[in-house]
Amino acid sequence: AQKITQTQPGMFVQEKEAVTLDCTYDTSDPSYGLFWYKQPSSGEMIFLIYQGSYDQQNATEGRYSLNFQKARKSANLVISASQLGDSAMYFCAMRRTAGANNLFFGTGTRLTVIP
Amino acid sequence: DVKVTQSSRYLVKRTGEKVFLECVQDMDHENMFWYRQDPGLGLRLIYFSYDVKMKEKGDIPEGYSVSREKKERFSLILESASTNQTSMYLCASSSTGIVTDTQYFGPGTRLTVL
Repeated sequence: AQKITQTQPGMFVQEKEAVTLDCTYDTSDPSYGLFWYKQPSSGEMIFLIYQGSYDQQNATEGRYSLNFQKARKSANLVISASQLGDSAMYFCAMRRTAGANNLFFGTGTRLTVIP
Repeated sequence: DVKVTQSSRYLVKRTGEKVFLECVQDMDHENMFWYRQDPGLGLRLIYFSYDVKMKEKGDIPEGYSVSREKKERFSLILESASTNQTSMYLCASSSTGIVTDTQYFGPGTRLTVL
């Protein structure tokens, strides 16, 4: 069975500081993909970043980077230089390569950026 | 840009009513999904479809059905709404079989069943 765990229900960060949101996963699939989504108060899920299980380098997208540690089965999201607009729910998700293409989601972390 | 639209942002229905939630995507994606989101539970898959007229049950299909008569449209149906179906419903779409291809989400429908 596949599982995504986000152990931080809420996080606070000072504006302009960096913050790490934790995500661990469990799967027996040899090939998988890991995603992070942002959900602002408006409700829409916004794709942020993707990491493939065979990717040699950690993914980066602007201020977002993914700290991928395959042996530890962790895929933490790092947001650098936090902005007030980063305040939102953040979800880690995993997608299988075989069978259904759906995503397994964690329970999310609510990030609040403090001015 | 991929655009996924949902017919309503907010919906209030009564117990026992039949409820239709519509989702339309404009990127010719093969796969479409319906999730429900509840606090502390994240998103859970209700149903998905990988082609017209094809559907597969997700993790929590009880009390729901779906319809996909056209590639761009995927409908979620609550045959007889109940209060425990009060939730946020999110539709998503993606291309087929490419693990790197992300799912794109609609804005969500917040359904309240009284």
